[in-house]
This record gives sequence, C-alpha cells and structure tokens, in this order.
Amino acid sequence: SQQGEEDPQALSIQEGENATMNCSYKTSINNLQWYRQNSGRGLVHLILIRSNEREKHSGRLRVTLDTSKKSSSLLITASRAADTASYFCATVANNDMRFGAGTRLTVKP
Amino acid sequence: EAQVTQNPRYLITVTGKKLTVTCSQNMNHEYMSWYRQDPGLGLRQIYYSMNVEVTDKGDVPEGYKVSRKEKRNFPLILESPSPNQTSLYFCASSRDRAYGYTFGSGTRLTVV
Repeated sequence: SQQGEEDPQALSIQEGENATMNCSYKTSINNLQWYRQNSGRGLVHLILIRSNEREKHSGRLRVTLDTSKKSSSLLITASRAADTASYFCATVANNDMRFGAGTRLTVKP
Repeated sequence: EAQVTQNPRYLITVTGKKLTVTCSQNMNHEYMSWYRQDPGLGLRQIYYSMNVEVTDKGDVPEGYKVSRKEKRNFPLILESPSPNQTSLYFCASSRDRAYGYTFGSGTRLTVV
C-alpha cells in the first residue's frame, strides 16, 4: 500500500521555469526519498532526506521536509526539457519503504 | 558500471506457462526487491530479500516465487502466470533496506 501521496498528479511548465512537487504522508518516518522515472524505465534515486533534516540540495534540486505537517516538497529550478519524467516520493518507516503514485512532469521547450 | 540487470526486457506469454525473470546486481548489495508497477497503483512490492537464503513477502506476493541462492541474483518466478499479472516489473537493490535503491530497467510482461 502507498504511504506518500504526491501532488499534483501532473504538472506542465515551460523550460526555464521552476517545478514544485509535494508529497504528504501519514505516519512517522525515518527518511524520505525522491526518485525520477523516465517513461517505462527504472526509477533513479535523486535525493534522501532524513527525519531530522529540514532541507537538502543537490544541483538544481531542493528538497524540504516538514515532519510536523508530514509533508515534503521537491523543487527543480531552471527546468529543462530533459527533466520531463515522473517523480516519486518514497517514505521509509520501520525499514519499510513505500512509494507514492507519482507526479508526471512535462517541461515544454 | 554499477547496475541492476533484468532480463528479458519484454515478454509475452500464455496463461499457465511458467516463466522466470532474472535479476542480477554487481554492487554486492545485501538487500534486493521486486516491484510491479500498474497505472494508478504506483509501485507495489512483491517480495524482498535481506540476504542470501532470506526472503519475505511484500504487499502482493500471490502467484509469485523468488529465490536468493547467491548474493548477486534474485530471480522472480511465475509458476502459472495469469492475465492479471500483466504488468511492468522492476528489480531493485540496496546496501540497506532503508536507503537509496538502484533499479533495473524493467520487464514488461504480457500474459494472454
């Protein structure tokens, strides 16, 4: 069963704009991870944020975590057409990882 | 190159004909897992393995078998496939169950 729920389900933006995706979850977690999936391909691990961290950066990616609201956001800055993909959050609690249903991001050139 | 290799990439089979999807990783990871991905349902875990000879059921194990005789290999076996097992399957591995997973490229299975 899913733990995280991504919002929005789909997002369409122009190249150069920023993209923000959100993930909400229900139970306490140890860490939260974000993955990218290009159409029909395997998921690629992007970033992991631990429950005691509030923000992490990796290149053009910025992830925040608010454990009081049980939510996380993934910001992709200066988006490119190559960022077009589905993005999934995965929550880890008691060594059990659960994936959300994903946000489909389309970046138009 | 560190990777998880799944084979085959595509498979069309008939109901009841036993099949095996292979998965191999070259990262010496202890943890391996199988998922199926269906539209609107996200990724659902089928089976996982914490180490050699240690396997356990995930959320949707019915109709599947696995084995972990060697650290690097984790095959998924469908003894008698049915059309409701038509799906996109992924194998993943990690040094630890709670950390970043490396995924294979996927196996698209169609059972007719």
